[in-house]
Parts: sequence; structure tokens; C-alpha cells
Amino acid sequence: GDSVTQMEGPVTLSEEAFLTINCTYTATGYPSLFWYVQYPGEGLQLLLKATKADDKGSNKGFEATYRKETTSFHLEKGSVQVSDSAVYFCALSDGSGGYQKVTFGTGTKLQVIP
Amino acid sequence: SQTIHQWPATLVQPVGSPLSLECTVEGTSNPNLYWYRQAAGRGLQLLFYSVGIGQISSEVPQNLSASRPQDRQFILSSKKLLLSDSGFYLCAWSAGTGREQYFGPGTRLTVT
Repeated sequence: GDSVTQMEGPVTLSEEAFLTINCTYTATGYPSLFWYVQYPGEGLQLLLKATKADDKGSNKGFEATYRKETTSFHLEKGSVQVSDSAVYFCALSDGSGGYQKVTFGTGTKLQVIP
Repeated sequence: SQTIHQWPATLVQPVGSPLSLECTVEGTSNPNLYWYRQAAGRGLQLLFYSVGIGQISSEVPQNLSASRPQDRQFILSSKKLLLSDSGFYLCAWSAGTGREQYFGPGTRLTVT
């Protein structure tokens, strides 16, 4: 079955540092890939997505590139801010099962300190 | 634009009491609807999904149930809560042809 593996957290960075959160996946077919962000006490928000190989999703300074050859979708940001502190979930959907099932990673907590 | 609502936002219930959580979606028709549970510090567990009125599929057998009485309304229920039912409950929707899901603000349930 489908699976998503994320790097263990928490990740602690100083403000303005470079961020990478690793994500690799296993899927049948051609999945769409997503990053979601969850701020404390809130629901998940879709941060960015990519639907085919070599696509780059981007939003709010975050980027991730769909790498089919390495089955990866790493999240990056050049300069993090305190307001980026949250839990980040990598996810995929291959559209199987007659509905749009999404498989989520376990989440990576990011803490940015001033 | 589409919006998704959940209520209540927080709930404290004693063991053995009933539960009803409600989720409604605005601005779209015939969405796929989902209930997830997130235990403290853990990932998301899909509980139920629905592709239409009255159509409910369960991913995990347990003492919870779901119903979809209207196109854009999704209800999570229990007749008797257990301590292990505590968690953060998230409702989500997706368009029929879209792969991404959009989440509501969640309900924090504490069973005492």
C-alpha cells in the first residue's frame, strides 16, 4: 500500500536559517503530492502541491519538487520566521479506492527561535 | 469560495456519555467528506469517509459512527464514549475530481 515517511522531529532552527524537511513516499501509479501545515490548536492547511514528476509546488516562500526518480518531495524554505513554527505533514493521493484517499506522514514539528 | 465549519470547538464529556460532532461545508456541491482523529502528538487516522448522502465507509472499527443526512453535512457520533476516544477530531472535504483535501478547524474532545 501507499506510505509516506517524514524525518523525525522536532526540528529547531534559529530565525532566518534554511529549512529542509525530508519526505519520501511509496505509491502505486502516479500520485499527487502535498505538504500541509498545522498551527497549534488548528486544523491542517494545504501549503503546496505537485501533481506530476518535476513539478515544483510553492507558497509563502516554501518550495518542494516532485522527484519521481528518488520518490521524494522535500520541503524547503530559504529563511524561516518564528511564525513558521508549526507541524508539517507530507501527504500523497493516488486517487485509488474510488475516492480521493490521502495518505499522510506522521508530521514534523518545526520550532523557530528568535 | 468554500468554507468548512466544525462544532463544537472544544468538548469535555464523561466516560459513557453520548457524542455528536457536526461538520458542514459551504460553497460546493456533492463533496467527498472525511472524519479524522489526531491523538496528542500523533499523525492523522482516517475514521470515516462519504462520497454521497447516506453513503458511509468506515476505515477503523470502533464505537464511533458517522452519518451524512444532507449533501454538505457530516456527523460523527457515539452512544458511549471511552477514555481512548479523546483527541482532536478533524473534518475534511474534497471535490469529486480533486485529490487534495481541505480541513476544518477541528474539535478538541476530552473524555474524563
